[in-house]
Amino acid sequence: AQSVTQLGSHVSVSEGALVLLRCNYSSSVPPYLFWYVQYPNQGLQLLLKYTSAATLVKGINGFEAEFKKSETSFHLTKPSAHMSDAAEYFCAVSDRGGGYNKLIFGAGTRLAVHP
Amino acid sequence: KAGVTQTPRYLIKTRGQQVTLSCSPISGHRSVSWYQQTPGQGLQFLFEYFSETQRNKGNFPGRFSGRQFSNSRSEMNVSTLELGDSALYLCASSLTGQGNYEQYFGPGTRLTVT
Repeated sequence: AQSVTQLGSHVSVSEGALVLLRCNYSSSVPPYLFWYVQYPNQGLQLLLKYTSAATLVKGINGFEAEFKKSETSFHLTKPSAHMSDAAEYFCAVSDRGGGYNKLIFGAGTRLAVHP
Repeated sequence: KAGVTQTPRYLIKTRGQQVTLSCSPISGHRSVSWYQQTPGQGLQFLFEYFSETQRNKGNFPGRFSGRQFSNSRSEMNVSTLELGDSALYLCASSLTGQGNYEQYFGPGTRLTVT
């Protein structure tokens, strides 16, 4: 069965610093992987997705993620943090075994950006 | 194109009551999934509907049910509400039934059970 582990429930960075949010997955089949962001009192917004094309995926708002099969990782990065990036971030894997549109989410990482 | 809409946005119910939540997907999307988000359990899959058929169901009791209409709009129902059902319920729509297409989420319905 697929699963997702996000290392670090809270990450704090300075404005302008590198953002690195870690995600490791477990999957018996080639995975489809996603990163979502959630702002307070809102739903989830898709940042980017990996579906077996290029291993380096670029998303919205300057975020990107690299799929590394050997490390079973899909870490999210952004070169320079902005105050507006403060939110909760979720990594998810699509459960291709049990059903195509079932997302299995990690526990989330809350990103704080300070001046 | 309008996004996923959910109604109502906020709801307060009493233990033992039942509740119905509504979700309108993006026009043209045929798959609707429901998720429950709580501080303790995080985001958990409830069920998915595609072309009016439930294709997947998560590990929730039978008090949780849903349906999808011919226009792809979906409802979920929770009967005999318990305090632990207090959560943000998120609906997501997708173009097809294949997991490589992104799911677009609505703003959610915040359910409080007292």
